[in-house]
Amino acid sequence: AQSVTQLGSHVSVSEGALVLLRCNYSSSVPPYLFWYVQYPNQGLQLLLKYTSAATLVKGINGFEAEFKKSETSFHLTKPSAHMSDAAEYFCAVRLYNQGGKLIFGQGTELSVKP
Amino acid sequence: EPEVTQTPSHQVTQMGQEVILRCVPISNHLYFYWYRQILGQKVEFLVSFYNNEISEKSEIFDDQFSVERPDGSNFTLKIRSTKLEDSAMYFCASTEGQGGNYGYTFGSGTRLTVV
Repeated sequence: AQSVTQLGSHVSVSEGALVLLRCNYSSSVPPYLFWYVQYPNQGLQLLLKYTSAATLVKGINGFEAEFKKSETSFHLTKPSAHMSDAAEYFCAVRLYNQGGKLIFGQGTELSVKP
Repeated sequence: EPEVTQTPSHQVTQMGQEVILRCVPISNHLYFYWYRQILGQKVEFLVSFYNNEISEKSEIFDDQFSVERPDGSNFTLKIRSTKLEDSAMYFCASTEGQGGNYGYTFGSGTRLTVV
């Protein structure tokens, strides 16, 4: 069963435009949710995480994500894209009572046009 | 900021050869993981390790794979007899605990190419 789905393998925005990367999870119990960014030829860097405290989570580099239980979503947004935001973004979940492993979505490649 | 260090960054090996990928987790972390990412695909969980034993492994982690923490700092992934399909980026990760407030720190990865 797919635990996390990222809609859109590739998103392209203009510099200064809103960034919206979608992530939906499938779990009867809200999991812990994470967004990671991967720049070319680099590792995975944590952007932000949801751990059942505030539903609106602020991360690094101006990104934020809102946990919506009714929609089983955890979409990532940034008000104004910068060229340096071009990278691959991964949503990941850690399911409740399923050990410590992360389950990753398929990833969304973000391109930023000048 | 503390880092997870992986070596080597690139490894090319012939099919059938054994490889050992090395990781130095963050010193006060207790849980260790290996993930892999085949080119163009998503990141997949391989194995988790705690208290000197495997706590969970995926179906990918078959008898060709093994993990070890040979000393107090290194965490290694061994592939006994590499296959072409083992070509991937391998990431090590560690975390201090498994509660909700703990994040996972990933290394920069080892790109393994099997020829």
